[in-house]
Amino acid sequence: EAGVAQSPRYKIIEKRQSVAFWCNPISGHATLYWYQQILGQGPKLLIQFQNNGVVDDSQLPKDRFSAERLKGVDSTLKIQPAKLEDSAVYLCASSYLGANTEAFFGQGTRLTVV
Amino acid sequence: EDQVTQSPEALRLQEGESSSLNCSYTVSGLRGLFWYRQDPGKGPEFLFTLYSAGEEKEKERLKATLTKKESFLHITAPKPEDSATYLCAVRGTGFQKLVFGTGTRLLVSP
Repeated sequence: EAGVAQSPRYKIIEKRQSVAFWCNPISGHATLYWYQQILGQGPKLLIQFQNNGVVDDSQLPKDRFSAERLKGVDSTLKIQPAKLEDSAVYLCASSYLGANTEAFFGQGTRLTVV
Repeated sequence: EDQVTQSPEALRLQEGESSSLNCSYTVSGLRGLFWYRQDPGKGPEFLFTLYSAGEEKEKERLKATLTKKESFLHITAPKPEDSATYLCAVRGTGFQKLVFGTGTRLLVSP
């Protein structure tokens, strides 16, 4: 079974530029998560989709971050404009529907804002 | 609000020296507690799911246990390849958010 695919693996941008990350979840997984992981910290949930609807985006900085999940499969996360404090690893995960199902993670995208 | 606290932040062990990692949680209606392993530069790798107090699960040198307030990850006779960050996460009722702790960085020296 193929895992969660993310691209790019690394990205360096200047502050105030925009950037987009892509995620392809495991086939059949209805729930998709985007997490932000700052060095030395645990993953922080940015947004959670169930199919193509948003379940939780309470910690998404909506003035600069946006995410979509078209057709309930692939997802993109965008930052515009980026700030220095957005430097982090952005992790995508997916799971089957259900509160007791485990989430599987991609390798992440390491973003550096200079 | 669901919360997870992990301790210690970092742990250094000698090869073969057993120890335990702690995960304390506050959640409304626990639906699952999850342990993950994360190696540098990689995404978290799923290890265990625990659903109810008293439950235990084992995998090689790792054993996870669960009470109503906390979970322990016991590492028996660890090897250098067990060095990683171990993350704990919980999911409660409601919107089923998966909330993570800050992790325990484990270093096992030969």
